[in-house]
Amino acid sequence: GAGVSQTPSNKVTEKGKYVELRCDPISGHTALYWYRQSLGQGPEFLIYFQGTGAADDSGLPNDRFFAVRPEGSVSTLKIQRTERGDSAVYLCASSYVGQWGEAFFGQGTRLTVV
Amino acid sequence: SQQGEEDPQALSIQEGENATMNCSYKTSINNLQWYRQNSGRGLVHLILIRSNEREKHSGRLRVTLDTSKKSSSLLITASRAADTASYFCATDQLGETSGSRLTFGEGTQLTVNP
Repeated sequence: GAGVSQTPSNKVTEKGKYVELRCDPISGHTALYWYRQSLGQGPEFLIYFQGTGAADDSGLPNDRFFAVRPEGSVSTLKIQRTERGDSAVYLCASSYVGQWGEAFFGQGTRLTVV
Repeated sequence: SQQGEEDPQALSIQEGENATMNCSYKTSINNLQWYRQNSGRGLVHLILIRSNEREKHSGRLRVTLDTSKKSSSLLITASRAADTASYFCATDQLGETSGSRLTFGEGTQLTVNP
């Protein structure tokens, strides 16, 4: 596609449930990023992939959060045992490897844990 | 944690006026970028300035960078109602590999009144 696609755009789930958020990066972009943004705050880094591997997962808040990118394209962010504090907009971005340039962001998934 | 801080947190101006937003950051950087966000969803890249540059222009945008003060400013000239959005600065840390994480500030909410 022309841009980064994230699905679903909105997700409401009950506390304690498991959720998966999907990101389709721009074709040819080998770098992929996940960010989380709470209301009134800037995006907060979660994890960064180069190809299939997580090059930096230091932003994941705890072991309930996990992300995969098995074929180096689509990525899934997985959250187990969701808590109300996980409610936020989850943003995905992709960029060219080795380029000190812009990251292209998707429209995000708004996760609400009730 | 956030790398940078934007100032002011909120700015309200009349159409046609200029808008200036400032960003301060804490660590040495490779480059600094400015992004725009409408309605809390996807971010759009505006401009990138490298650490060895002092000023950059793009259309109605002018960005300055002062690495000695660890600060940057974004000037939007002849503002329009359509410029209403949140504006974020983002940095990547000196020494980190190309394409690694961006660290965002908390943003300035700009409102341009018709």
